[in-house]
Amino acid sequence: GESVGLHLPTLSVQEGDNSIINCAYSNSASDYFIWYKQESGKGPQFIIDIRSNMDKRQGQRVTVLLNKTVKHLSLQIAATQPGDSAVYFCAEKEGYGGATNKLIFGTGTLLAVQP
Amino acid sequence: EAQVTQNPRYLITVTGKKLTVTCSQNMNHEYMSWYRQDPGLGLRQIYYSMNVEVTDKGDVPEGYKVSRKEKRNFPLILESPSPNQTSLYFCASSLRAANEKLFFGSGTQLSVL
Repeated sequence: GESVGLHLPTLSVQEGDNSIINCAYSNSASDYFIWYKQESGKGPQFIIDIRSNMDKRQGQRVTVLLNKTVKHLSLQIAATQPGDSAVYFCAEKEGYGGATNKLIFGTGTLLAVQP
Repeated sequence: EAQVTQNPRYLITVTGKKLTVTCSQNMNHEYMSWYRQDPGLGLRQIYYSMNVEVTDKGDVPEGYKVSRKEKRNFPLILESPSPNQTSLYFCASSLRAANEKLFFGSGTQLSVL
């Protein structure tokens, strides 16, 4: 787990700035998407999700945008804090619905917040 | 506290020595799953279980076994570990299905020498 940050694209931001983390998904039929945060030495933690019938969803300091035309997902973090430093990855649900469909995970982006 | 608990947190073993990684959830979730995480590859599903006594292969099941005798427990078994199974393993659960948000354990870092 401590090595999961290796080989990842890195986004470096200043504390207090807004962060935008991008994710390109593969399946045009995917209808559910999730963003996870993974801090060093910990398991992935749910941040926010969005269904394909929406193009924007807001949470506390986070916003997820979905552009189905170009199969692109983004996570915006407002007023980034040092505690936001982590690996962020998106997941898409493949298939057309049903209980057996599974999540496909991206490899992630390392967010490094500079004080 | 609602959580997924994995044990052990770290494990070093030798090739061929059978091991079990335990996973337990206290949320009464029906769906449970095991993943491995390797640098540059993201999370890959090993096995999953839709409910008690119902298990199925994920994307990388070779060399692994699972069982689901009780709703809360979903152990991962490596009958004869090999060095290519050195990885970070996560157990996860969700209320009903794979298409809902998953709750993850803290992970098990396994090294097979």
